Amino acid sequence: EAEVAQSPRYKITEKSQAVAFWCDPISGHATLYWYRQILGQGPELLVQFQDESVVDDSQLPKDRFSAERLKGVDSTLKIQPAELGDSAMYLCASSFGFNYGYTFGSGTRLTVV
Amino acid sequence: EDKVVQSPLSLVVHEGDTVTLNCSYEVTNFRSLLWYKQEKKAPTFLFMLTSSGIEKKSGRLSSILDKKELSSILNITATQTGDSAIYLCAGATAGTALIFGKGTTLSVSS
Repeated sequence: EAEVAQSPRYKITEKSQAVAFWCDPISGHATLYWYRQILGQGPELLVQFQDESVVDDSQLPKDRFSAERLKGVDSTLKIQPAELGDSAMYLCASSFGFNYGYTFGSGTRLTVV
Repeated sequence: EDKVVQSPLSLVVHEGDTVTLNCSYEVTNFRSLLWYKQEKKAPTFLFMLTSSGIEKKSGRLSSILDKKELSSILNITATQTGDSAIYLCAGATAGTALIFGKGTTLSVSS
């Protein structure tokens, strides 16, 4: 069964350091999403891509977060500098489009110390 | 502001019980309502409900969309310990981005 690949699975970083997460969606899925899930909360959208273009990044804290999907396939989410409040699960998901459910990757659990 | 509200936030039942999880939504340009199950990792897809498919069933799980009340329920019959998880409800907008509720944590004891 096709999967959304994410790495790393776990990341511990010190406050003010840079950190990056990688996501490879299911082949053929043009739409890619990055979500952040704080413990006890539902996932919140950070950024949505359609191919290589950003469709929605209104909730992305652009002073410290950046995301790219240069060739419209895999994607990288970066945080620089990391803050304690960034500790969360970062989920990547992809889909064919509206009439299809999302497929989520296993997520990256970030702990900022 | 778009929002999805789930209730209860947590629930403890005994094996064999039937449970009903609730979800209400206020989503601009609503397209569909989705349910996910999350067990300490990424959410896994359960159902998608749209105007053309307001009732879905899979084994012991079923879900209904009430377009008039802007709500949905997820029913689980004959619960098992393996049903213990967080159940997430999400509304999809015209742009296909999902807006999630906080989830309902279900604990099934043997």
